[in-house]
Amino acid sequence: NAGVTQTPKFRVLKTGQSMTLLCAQDMNHEYMYWYRQDPGMGLRLIHYSVGEGTTAKGEVPDGYNVSRLKKQNFLLGLESAAPSQTSVYFCASSYRPGTSGSRPSADTQYFGPGTRLTVL
Amino acid sequence: KNQVEQSPQSLIILEGKNCTLQCNYTVSPFSNLRWYKQDTGRGPVSLTIMTFSENTKSNGRYTATLDADTKQSSLHITASQLSDSASYICVVSERADSWGKLQFGAGTQVVVTP
Repeated sequence: NAGVTQTPKFRVLKTGQSMTLLCAQDMNHEYMYWYRQDPGMGLRLIHYSVGEGTTAKGEVPDGYNVSRLKKQNFLLGLESAAPSQTSVYFCASSYRPGTSGSRPSADTQYFGPGTRLTVL
Repeated sequence: KNQVEQSPQSLIILEGKNCTLQCNYTVSPFSNLRWYKQDTGRGPVSLTIMTFSENTKSNGRYTATLDADTKQSSLHITASQLSDSASYICVVSERADSWGKLQFGAGTQVVVTP
């Protein structure tokens, strides 16, 4: 199993350009997440999805859109990139949280390797 | 304000020595607490997970402790190795009947030197 993969690994954009980050998982997880990681701060949730065809906003959704057309894929889009969106983006996936009962390890989120995005 | 605070921000230790990382949280209601290891340029990987009823959990040379009353956790690394150089992130999950929202600490950067 490849686990969680992300494409691309690096990208440089100019302000105003658009791009899409692709996340794929082969663990048949229902839940998928997009985070951003900035220096000195914890990971912050951008958007998440509880299943194919559904998406929801996280903590910092502004400037981003997402789509989950297939269970194994979760796309993050930047319509008009801004320098404030320079960050490292991580995708994660998990089984449906809250159903593990005495097995909280089943809620574990598995992370991809990240995409380093620079917006000039 | 971040609900998960980690200390120190960074530390340097000699190979073979022990170290302890701290995590204080205010997340409530609390479901479980995880420690993740993040190597440079990689995504975080889960090391340990503890529920409110557990006060210690080991994974090889890593031992995590939890005091749910004082809302504190620690991660102890024994006999450090060069491969332990990484960022260690404390992650607290809100109660289990929510969708599983996680609160991430900013991490402690550990550098193990020869």
